[in-house]
Amino acid sequence: EPEVTQTPSHQVTQMGQEVILRCVPISNHLYFYWYRQILGQKVEFLVSFYNNEISEKSEIFDDQFSVERPDGSNFTLKIRSTKLEDSAMYFCASSAGGGSTDTQYFGPGTRLTVL
Amino acid sequence: QQQVKQSPQSLIVQKGGISIINCAYENTAFDYFPWYQQFPGKGPALLIAIRPDVSEKKEGRFTISFNKSAKQFSLHIMDSQPGDSATYFCAGVFNQGGKLIFGQGTELSVKP
Repeated sequence: EPEVTQTPSHQVTQMGQEVILRCVPISNHLYFYWYRQILGQKVEFLVSFYNNEISEKSEIFDDQFSVERPDGSNFTLKIRSTKLEDSAMYFCASSAGGGSTDTQYFGPGTRLTVL
Repeated sequence: QQQVKQSPQSLIVQKGGISIINCAYENTAFDYFPWYQQFPGKGPALLIAIRPDVSEKKEGRFTISFNKSAKQFSLHIMDSQPGDSATYFCAGVFNQGGKLIFGQGTELSVKP
């Protein structure tokens, strides 16, 4: 069964460093998402992406964040200058359609630890 | 206005019992309400979902009850099993763009 994959599974970085989190969505999906989950808290929407453009972003997704689909398979989240409060589990998701009933399939997540 | 409130935060149920998790929402722009199940080390996975024009949806041991006027919905797990032990998230989905707004999550533990 097709699945969303994410690398790395765990990333440790120093405050102020740039990190790139990578995702390979399900191959025929067209809509891509990033969510994050701070330890012990709920999963929060960061950004949605379709047709090589950001469709929507949350207030969390400030100028330090960017997303890119550099080729036909990868979808990346870049944090330019990490802060302590960026420490969280980051989930990538993809769906075939962008409607409310289109199932979003989540990857296993990347745990980001900012020291 | 975008919040989905979920309770309880944690739940312990004996094997064979009924697990009930409740959610409430404010935003009437949600037009789909999924429940996601998350096992440790895994991402959330869709379990069951309901449209707001339906009052109940059942899939196997899992049932969603939906009360549109009260803006509340709940997940019932019948004959709960130890393998159901996981974190459960309710969510609301906006029609435009499919953005998921999750509840806080419920950690369910089913004791043998």
